Amino acid sequence: DAGVIQSPRHEVTEMGQEVTLRCKPISGHNSLFWYRQTMMRGLELLIYFNNNVPIDDSGMPEDRFSAKMPNASFSTLKIQPSEPRDSAVYFCASSLAARSNQPQHFGDGTRLSIL
Amino acid sequence: GENVEQHPSTLSVQEGDSAVIKCTYSDSASNYFPWYKQELGKGPQLIIDIRSNVGEKKDQRIAVTLNKTAKHFSLHITETQPEDSAVYFCAASIRGSQGNLIFGKGTKLSVKP
Repeated sequence: DAGVIQSPRHEVTEMGQEVTLRCKPISGHNSLFWYRQTMMRGLELLIYFNNNVPIDDSGMPEDRFSAKMPNASFSTLKIQPSEPRDSAVYFCASSLAARSNQPQHFGDGTRLSIL
Repeated sequence: GENVEQHPSTLSVQEGDSAVIKCTYSDSASNYFPWYKQELGKGPQLIIDIRSNVGEKKDQRIAVTLNKTAKHFSLHITETQPEDSAVYFCAASIRGSQGNLIFGKGTKLSVKP
């Protein structure tokens, strides 16, 4: 079975540019999560969706960050304009149902470098 | 707010020895505790999980124990192998959230051949 698919795997861009990260969750999963991982702060939840609806975006650092889930099989995380401090690995995860005892399954991440 | 503390941050063992990683959580309403293994360049992969109605769970060489009273849970890896080398994360569910987890800071395990 296909797992969570993220693209691109690596992104290098200049400060000020728009960055769009993409995620395809596991088919049949109803919850989708976006995380950011850095050495200093570890894994941080940015936003999560249940049934395509954003539930909690309190982890989104600034208005420069936005996320959408137009359908059950696709989500995007956009940064505009990007800054060097946004450099990190961004992970998408999905889980079967909107309950607190369901495992989350992670993609392999997008390594983002803002120059 | 909710918090998960994980110790140690680094752990080095000889092949064949056991490794133990410990986590404590703050929210007494947490009822789900997964453990993830992250290899270099990969996303975290679920290796075992435990729910609050169970005290211990085993899967071959790995086991997790949960002490609800003390609010701590541990990962035990026996007969460690070099391929067990990775970063391990514990996590706990958050009260009132719909599937949200809070993660520990991770433990880098090195198994020396």
